[in-house]
Amino acid sequence: GESVGLHLPTLSVQEGDNSIINCAYSNSASDYFIWYKQESGKGPQFIIDIRSNMDKRQGQRVTVLLNKTVKHLSLQIAATQPGDSAVYFCAEPWNSGGSNYKLTFGKGTLLTVNP
Amino acid sequence: DAGVIQSPRHEVTEMGQEVTLRCKPISGHNSLFWYRQTMMRGLELLIYFNNNVPIDDSGMPEDRFSAKMPNASFSTLKIQPSEPRDSAVYFCASRGTLSGNTIYFGEGSWLTVV
Repeated sequence: GESVGLHLPTLSVQEGDNSIINCAYSNSASDYFIWYKQESGKGPQFIIDIRSNMDKRQGQRVTVLLNKTVKHLSLQIAATQPGDSAVYFCAEPWNSGGSNYKLTFGKGTLLTVNP
Repeated sequence: DAGVIQSPRHEVTEMGQEVTLRCKPISGHNSLFWYRQTMMRGLELLIYFNNNVPIDDSGMPEDRFSAKMPNASFSTLKIQPSEPRDSAVYFCASRGTLSGNTIYFGEGSWLTVV
């Protein structure tokens, strides 16, 4: 029978092109957002983060944009390389009180870079 | 520096058997998280500990699942009895006060229950 899965959003780009991965978040009180990269067979790895008092943050080849009005995040990867092929997750914290908080993850976007 | 260390990396077990997954967080980190990842449900938080105390176990699927953290450098996630629908990748992650809000993941334990 047909399997039912998450139907990950997918993005396929050519090597050297720029990639934009989008994420909608739900908690308007979130003050911090993180992007993770998960390569096949590995655990998620931290890429870049942004605080809610910022609307843009740049790293090495990556830029994260935050639009709090519409609760939207994007991750831009410049000059995408084959090694960037992975699933990308945005994550936001949910505070359980005091210093206790947990990270909840979006369903992810599969980025495939074609040589 | 060593990252989060999980064992076993891969396990295949028969339905009904007990499964124990182990985790050593990054030294000095005081929060530890257990996540489960499946194609159907994505990355789900099962339980997390702060200073060895369970804070939120609302993600634990049922009584067959239990987690312990007897000390700051060790945690276990146990499934008893295991069922085929428990097949997934189980990730342990940790966070420390000096790492801010970033959670660091291990490489996962790939569990197959047949």
